[in-house]
Amino acid sequence: DGGITQSPKYLFRKEGQNVTLSCEQNLNHDAMYWYRQDPGQGLRLIYYSQIVNDFQKGDIAEGYSVSREKKESFPLTVTSAQKNPTAFYLCASSPFLAGANVLTFGAGSRLTVL
Amino acid sequence: AQSVSQHNHHVILSEAASLELGCNYSYGGTVNLFWYVQYPGQHLQLLLKYFSGDPLVKGIKGFEAEFIKSKFSFNLRKPSVQWSDTAEYFCAVGAYNTDKLIFGTGTRLQVFP
Repeated sequence: DGGITQSPKYLFRKEGQNVTLSCEQNLNHDAMYWYRQDPGQGLRLIYYSQIVNDFQKGDIAEGYSVSREKKESFPLTVTSAQKNPTAFYLCASSPFLAGANVLTFGAGSRLTVL
Repeated sequence: AQSVSQHNHHVILSEAASLELGCNYSYGGTVNLFWYVQYPGQHLQLLLKYFSGDPLVKGIKGFEAEFIKSKFSFNLRKPSVQWSDTAEYFCAVGAYNTDKLIFGTGTRLQVFP
């Protein structure tokens, strides 16, 4: 079945450590997105990519980094510079132009900083 | 800048009650409108969408939403809720032909038998 796979599902990190969340899709979608979900704040866009080797900052990119070396993959690194990294992270993809297309979401990764 | 407001943060209903969740957005141009739903333990998924045409759109599981352009609103409705509708509901707005989708803060719906 086509879909988005995020791993790990749960991750614990000590302060000062970088962690990388994986996102893989087999939908042949051009665009991929990372959102952060916090209670009462909805989904906030971290980074997005419309094409391989290109990506743009979203609304809350500080303390995060991404790469898009392959169409299927869009990993997110949460760096030690991110002040409040404990959150639920969602990866999504769409054929193109999220504003005009339906997003397909992964199951999410829950990061907890100890 | 675009923004989306969902005024109902937490709604509690009994089964068979009617539901209306508010969604207002701020953007002066053409928009595409979405409602997504996140059932407990499941992926976020599309409930319904509006791109153009009839402003009353129907989605899955008996949900519908009405786009009122003059009010910048896209409220979600269901005449009779079920316990299985317990979930978090997100309104989202995309400016026409852009690559970003802006989500509201979500409404948590609890339905009791």
